[in-house]
Formats: sequence, structure tokens, C-alpha cells
Amino acid sequence: QKEVEQNSGPLSVPEGAIASLNCTYSDRGSQSFFWYRQYSGKSPELIMFIYSNGDKEDGRFTAQLNKASQYVSLLIRDSQPSDSATYLCAVIGSNDYKLSFGAGTTVTVRA
Amino acid sequence: KAGVTQTPRYLIKTRGQQVTLSCSPISGHRSVSWYQQTPGQGLQFLFEYFSETQRNKGNFPGRFSGRQFSNSRSEMNVSTLELGDSALYLCASSGTLGAGTSPLHFGNGTRLTVT
Repeated sequence: QKEVEQNSGPLSVPEGAIASLNCTYSDRGSQSFFWYRQYSGKSPELIMFIYSNGDKEDGRFTAQLNKASQYVSLLIRDSQPSDSATYLCAVIGSNDYKLSFGAGTTVTVRA
Repeated sequence: KAGVTQTPRYLIKTRGQQVTLSCSPISGHRSVSWYQQTPGQGLQFLFEYFSETQRNKGNFPGRFSGRQFSNSRSEMNVSTLELGDSALYLCASSGTLGAGTSPLHFGNGTRLTVT
């Protein structure tokens, strides 16, 4: 079982819609969770981090964490063509403190 | 503030050769991590250096090694290159040890092609 799993997509949404990305992780003791965005040919950039159960909002982005279900999600509201990218979920291991990435979900926003 | 700088941007090597990649972190950052990114495996952690010491290591063979200098610059070396080593190698810096305590800032990567 991979440490961090994401649906690879591609996820295609119309402009203005909500894009919903999901991520599950295997390390029950993990405490820190991150979402990175990677445009084609570019390096990943951090867009959200969340440590506590519940929701965390930052502009059009909302991260949701459910530690009991070992599930973290990212919602992108009012999706724009500029949101078209691969979104990487990353989790810190509870024992080794390594940052493990999921394979990424590719999002395409249709104008 | 300058970002993370990786050199070279592109490398083409043949099997059996060795290669050295360089990374200069953001000024003031003491932690440097290295990742390998391939289409099939995604981003995989290689190692993390902090204050010239390797603090964490991923599941890669001993052909992959690294070091960090007193100015926090880091180098990664891959010996006896294999075709499967073809990948984008990303370096990331952060202000503190451990990626969970402060955000990682990635460089633009070095694209290594092994023929």
C-alpha cells in the first residue's frame, strides 16, 4: 500500500465550478498535511497546509482533514483556467518525519 | 530574496557514468532536501541535510549520495548511472529541520537523461 494515494485524474471541470481532490494516507500518526500545485514543466509550490481536523480556507482553496478516516481533501472554488495543474498531496510521517507525496491529480479547467 | 537555485538545468549522461547536481538554498535556509520525480513513481524523497549533516534518508540505493557545505549549499551525486535514473531531480529548502515545520521551497530542478 502506498503511503499517500490520490486519484490521478485527469479531473476536468468547467470554469467557475468546484474542483474536488481527494487524498488518503496510511500513517495513522501523521499530523501535518500539505497540498502543492505543480504546473507543467515547473516545480511544485505550496498552496495549503493543514494540521487540525476540520476545514481550512485560503481564498478559493479549502483543505479538509479527517484524521479518523485518514483522509485529506482540497476544494477549489470558482475554478479558473489558471488552476489547471497537477495537485500533489503530501504527508509527514509520524516516525521518520519524511515528507511523502502522492502521485498527484491533474486538473484541467475548461473555459 | 533569491529562490532555490539548481544547476545545471539539463544533463545528458551515459550508463555507468556519474553525475553531480548542485543546489543553493534560499538565503538563511539551513535545510535542504532532494527529491526524484518520474512519471511513474511521482516525487520520491532522497535525503535531507541540515547543518551539514544528513538527517533523513529515503529508500534509494547507495549510488545516490549527497552532502551539504557550511554555507548550506548542497550537492547530490549519482554514481554508476542506470537508465532508470533518468528523472527530474528537485531540491527544496526550508528554514527549519523537517518539512513539517516550515514550507518547502523547490528549485526548478535538474532534468537528467541517461542514455
